[in-house]
Amino acid sequence: SQQGEEDPQALSIQEGENATMNCSYKTSINNLQWYRQNSGRGLVHLILIRSNEREKHSGRLRVTLDTSKKSSSLLITASRAADTASYFCATDDQSGSARQLTFGSGTQLTVLP
Amino acid sequence: ETGVTQSPTHLIKTRGQQVTLRCSSQSGHNTVSWYQQALGQGPQFIFQYYREEENGRGNFPPRFSGLQFPNYSSELNVNALELDDSALYLCASSSDRGSNTGELFFGEGSRLTVL
Repeated sequence: SQQGEEDPQALSIQEGENATMNCSYKTSINNLQWYRQNSGRGLVHLILIRSNEREKHSGRLRVTLDTSKKSSSLLITASRAADTASYFCATDDQSGSARQLTFGSGTQLTVLP
Repeated sequence: ETGVTQSPTHLIKTRGQQVTLRCSSQSGHNTVSWYQQALGQGPQFIFQYYREEENGRGNFPPRFSGLQFPNYSSELNVNALELDDSALYLCASSSDRGSNTGELFFGEGSRLTVL
């Protein structure tokens, strides 16, 4: 089952604009991560935010986490055509013995040149 | 590029057949996880191997099985293939179990089509 749900499912913007994607989850977490996937390829880790952090930056990426609302957002500033991909949030949700991530269903971002 | 390699990249099987997928983890990583990603969905956890033992399992039936070898490479075996097994199978390696799940390093996946 999916833990995280991304919103929107699809987003289309012009190059240079900012893109914001949201993620909601259901259970308590250790951390939340964002991954990127180009069509049919493997996932690439973008950023990790721990449950005791509220905001984190990495280059053009800004992630926020609100554990009271069980939600996170990923902001990509000054988007480029090369940012076109699917973006997934994933939670390390403190359950089970395995260190597994539970992924959402993703946001498909299209950046138009 | 993550250093995680998977083979084969694509394969086609028929219902009832068996398949073996292979993964070489990134150098220095001792934990391998397998995920199934159906078209248009996020990856779903199948199981994890740590020091050659299964360390946890998702909601997948026993016909999904695996191995980890002393060099930390891994195999995913699926018996009695069903049409719904058609998916991208992703292998991910990481350096240690630890107390939390850190960054996973994914391979490019094996695309399985079951006819």
